Amino acid sequence: TQLLEQSPQFLSIQEGENLTVYCNSSSVFSSLQWYRQEPGEGPVLLVTVVTGGEVKKLKRLTFQFGDARKDSSLHITAAQPGDTGLYLCAFPYGGATNKLIFGTGTLLAVQP
Amino acid sequence: NAGVMQNPRHLVRRRGQEARLRCSPMKGHSHVYWYRQLPEEGLKFMVYLQKENIIDESGMPKERFSAEFPKEGPSILRIQQVVRGDSAAYFCASSKLAGGGYEQYFGPGTRLTVT
Repeated sequence: TQLLEQSPQFLSIQEGENLTVYCNSSSVFSSLQWYRQEPGEGPVLLVTVVTGGEVKKLKRLTFQFGDARKDSSLHITAAQPGDTGLYLCAFPYGGATNKLIFGTGTLLAVQP
Repeated sequence: NAGVMQNPRHLVRRRGQEARLRCSPMKGHSHVYWYRQLPEEGLKFMVYLQKENIIDESGMPKERFSAEFPKEGPSILRIQQVVRGDSAAYFCASSKLAGGGYEQYFGPGTRLTVT
């Protein structure tokens, strides 16, 4: 059973378009993280959301944590080719261990 | 300040051989995590180590896989008698401390291909 389901699985858009990707679960999380992974590299942390309803902005990226802390979304405004990559949501699991449980991922391709 | 380093970046092994993957954490980090990324399964936790101790190996296959993080030197993920299903990208991450609030920094990964 996958705890974190991401949608869509694949997304191909033109430069300048807006997009939203989703991370959903039936479980409640104390926090949720978003990562971006470029081809041939490891994931890089973009943001951590902690409070239900929280909205965080990182330049053209807007992250929202659901009120019930079961879901999250990532909105990109005016996408650029440099935004291309695999977007992963994750939550830290296991108390002091802090191991990360990752979602299924959304593969984004932004065409110039 | 160098990031997490992994080597080799690419490793090709024939079935039955051993694979040794190395991870040097960021300076000052004493907590190491190994993850495996398979195309059909996504990124999955394997093992969490502190210096000289395995803390959580709940994601490690029961056979052929082992990990260590010695007092001196890099963390090693060892796969004995590799099979085609072991072909994947293996990522190491390090953090300064465990527990909430401490970010894990990922290395570039080792891509293992078993022929």
